[in-house]
Amino acid sequence: QSVLTQPPSVSGAPGQRVTISCTGSTSNIGAGYDVHWYQQLPGTAPKLLIYTNTNRPSGVPDRFSGSKSGTSASLAITGLQAEDEADYYCQSYDRSLSGVIFGGGTKLTVL
Amino acid sequence: QVQLVQPGAEVKKPGSSVRVTCKPSGGTRSTDAISWVRQAPGQGPEWMGGIIPVFGSPSYAQKFQGRVMIAADESTGTVYLELRSLKSEDTAVYYCARGWEVTVFDYWGQGALVTVSS
Repeated sequence: QSVLTQPPSVSGAPGQRVTISCTGSTSNIGAGYDVHWYQQLPGTAPKLLIYTNTNRPSGVPDRFSGSKSGTSASLAITGLQAEDEADYYCQSYDRSLSGVIFGGGTKLTVL
Repeated sequence: QVQLVQPGAEVKKPGSSVRVTCKPSGGTRSTDAISWVRQAPGQGPEWMGGIIPVFGSPSYAQKFQGRVMIAADESTGTVYLELRSLKSEDTAVYYCARGWEVTVFDYWGQGALVTVSS
């Protein structure tokens, strides 16, 4: 059971918009710790997609955006493309555990 | 271009130890943090700990306290992970990852598969 809760799967047709939620608690996201998002394609290492809640690293398309509110965060993907099919993980810090935590991951299927 | 080089796979017996190495190159900064994140088959990533080599003191996830050691050799730039008392549940891909702090990871190594089996 992950400390950060994500839906196991989401899906959407090409061109559509999908969102992936990441629900935490007052010990992590709600305590003000930043949320980061990673994309993992099959057989590869995770890749940083969104950092510090809302920022995109160089080279990440602006179709990807992040937000944070209260004890939750969200990743939105607009203009869905086949190449977006991957696993997505949120990540933050938990003060009770004194360590980095990841969500359980969400598998995005492009229909 | 930042690269984190990790040598390939290892097979270990239960109860033994494993040492995994990571050598950052290209565009690294003296205050970079290097963390170790593992991923068991079909599971999500799990943070094990990290170190800022220039400062030296590692931090560890509570789950691995007493069984893990992370160290850095400043002369070669290599960062090490040692995990002791291996169990079958430790079978995973072990990634090193760089960040501007221990709590975020902007570059990842290719991963090293560690298989624990009798």
